[in-house]
Amino acid sequence: GAGVSQSPSNKVTEKGKDVELRCDPISGHTALYWYRQSLGQGLEFLIYFQGNSAPDKSGLPSDRFSAERTGGSVSTLTIQRTQQEDSAVYLCASSLAGGATNEKLFFGSGTQLSVL
Amino acid sequence: GNSVTQMEGPVTLSEEAFLTINCTYTATGYPSLFWYVQYPGEGLQLLLKATKADDKGSNKGFEATYRKETTSFHLEKGSVQVSDSAVYFCASKGSNYQLIWGAGTKLIIKP
Repeated sequence: GAGVSQSPSNKVTEKGKDVELRCDPISGHTALYWYRQSLGQGLEFLIYFQGNSAPDKSGLPSDRFSAERTGGSVSTLTIQRTQQEDSAVYLCASSLAGGATNEKLFFGSGTQLSVL
Repeated sequence: GNSVTQMEGPVTLSEEAFLTINCTYTATGYPSLFWYVQYPGEGLQLLLKATKADDKGSNKGFEATYRKETTSFHLEKGSVQVSDSAVYFCASKGSNYQLIWGAGTKLIIKP
């Protein structure tokens, strides 16, 4: 597609349920990032994909969080047994290669997750 | 480690006022520097960037100059508009994939 697409745009769930967030990056972009943005806060790095592999998962807050990417394209971020502190906007971004110093990131509009 | 520090918000200005949002960085080597903007209800988008010392990035009337001697990349605009109300993020990027982000500065422009 023309831009990074994220779905759903809004998700309301009950505490303890699992949720799956989807990111469809720009076609041809090998690098994919997940960030979390809590209300009034900056961007918290979660995970980085280069192709289908994730060389850096260091930002995932706990083992309840996991992510995968298939076919070098779509990525899903899964949060198991959601907690209220997981409520945030989850942002996905992609870039052409990842390693270039001056490379621009393209962001999706995010998924607003609310855990009741 | 590398870091980016930007001025806390919110910054509230009247229309046509002069804007400065300060950003300083620490880094090994010579990173590229970016300003991203997040308009209400929209995704983050690149506003401008500079890739080496003394470069000036500019877009939509905004400017920022890469100052190696002061490790700064302050965002400026001569005359702000209500439509500039948004959250602005400063970021740096070295030779690996990782962007280092500032905390964001909310800008509110009153008519």
